[in-house]
Amino acid sequence: AQSVTQLDSHVSVSEGTPVLLRCNYSSSYSPSLFWYVQHPNKGLQLLLKYTSAATLVKGINGFEAEFKKSETSFHLTKPSAHMSDAAEYFCVVSDGTWEYGNKLVFGAGTILRVKS
Amino acid sequence: DVKVTQSSRYLVKRTGEKVFLECVQDMDHENMFWYRQDPGLGLRLIYFSYDVKMKEKGDIPEGYSVSREKKERFSLILESASTNQTSMYLCASSFSTSGTQETQYFGPGTRLLVL
Repeated sequence: AQSVTQLDSHVSVSEGTPVLLRCNYSSSYSPSLFWYVQHPNKGLQLLLKYTSAATLVKGINGFEAEFKKSETSFHLTKPSAHMSDAAEYFCVVSDGTWEYGNKLVFGAGTILRVKS
Repeated sequence: DVKVTQSSRYLVKRTGEKVFLECVQDMDHENMFWYRQDPGLGLRLIYFSYDVKMKEKGDIPEGYSVSREKKERFSLILESASTNQTSMYLCASSFSTSGTQETQYFGPGTRLLVL
């Protein structure tokens, strides 16, 4: 079965410093991986997705993630944090067992706090 | 833009009440999903559907049922609400493909409090 572990439940950074949100996955096949963001009182928004085309994936708002098969990791990074990045971030792996499409397995989430 | 709407942002219900949560999408997506979100647990799949009148159980279906009478609408039903069903409920939709790459689009969520 597929699973996702987000290694930090909370991350705190200062504005202008780099962001690193860590994610490890377990999958019995070559997975698709996603990062979603949820701002307070908002729905989930797709940040980026990896679908085996390129291992370094660029997303919206300056975020990117690198797929490392040897480490089973898909960490999310941003060179310089902005106050508006404060939100909860979810690492997500696809469950490839459903014949009609994509069933997702979510990590527990990482809350990012950005200090001014 | 894909639009997924949920009938209520906030709901307060009493224990034992029957509760309906409705979700509508406007992108002609075949697949629709209901999740609940709890702190520290991420999102957990309750039920999902790939076509009208079709449904499949997710990871935590107990205490819930669903209805999909029209392609664009997917309803979550709590037959007899209990306090442990207090949670945020999120609806999502996606196209149906044979791969694992389709993006799911989410609604804003319904925060349900059961007293």
